Amino acid sequence: DTEVTQTPKHLVMGMTNKKSLKCEQHMGHRAMYWYKQKAKKPPELMFVYSYEKLSINESVPSRFSPECPNSSLLNLHLHALQPEDSALYLCASSQDGPATNTDTQYFGPGTRLTVL
Amino acid sequence: RKEVEQDPGPFNVPEGATVAFNCTYSNSASQSFFWYRQDCRKEPKLLMSVYSSGNEDGRFTAQLNRASQYISLLIRDSKLSDSATYLCAVKTGTGGFKTIFGAGTRLFVKA
Repeated sequence: DTEVTQTPKHLVMGMTNKKSLKCEQHMGHRAMYWYKQKAKKPPELMFVYSYEKLSINESVPSRFSPECPNSSLLNLHLHALQPEDSALYLCASSQDGPATNTDTQYFGPGTRLTVL
Repeated sequence: RKEVEQDPGPFNVPEGATVAFNCTYSNSASQSFFWYRQDCRKEPKLLMSVYSSGNEDGRFTAQLNRASQYISLLIRDSKLSDSATYLCAVKTGTGGFKTIFGAGTRLFVKA
């Protein structure tokens, strides 16, 4: 089973709201990722957690705050977002993570975020 | 130059046709290569990893050319259900490998 789940599927929020995106996997993977994807563009890496520690932050603005409570869960806390942050937010997981060059990532269905 | 480049297409082909996509990458130290398929408003789904010796999965064949720094995907006997965007992905970097995605190639298979 290569299932990564994400909630919610859709989210509409105002620029002053605080919300969180959630991601879960039960494949025993030790690396989890957040990507942002705009329409007709490829996924862009935001954060990587490896063994529950943040290992890569792609210079993401602080209004996005990741959290990895345990090896199965990954959250993305959102605060004071801008309309241009509207996108599909994808979570992925892989067996080992960025220290391994042959790792395969599996994606969740994404959360479609609209910021008003 | 982008790290990973693909022809955006779209490729419009009839059912039964053979279609090929190429993807070039700029970092010669890249080690792992993948093809993903993404349907409209859905997540990318792994289609196949790409190995140096090439690999085949049914109607799909992937090849890697390290000398010219490109990977290819060949789809034989195209089906209507093959219509999607095909993303190549390259795992690259030092001190922490990152997966870089190409912009994707759109394929439309028509009856």
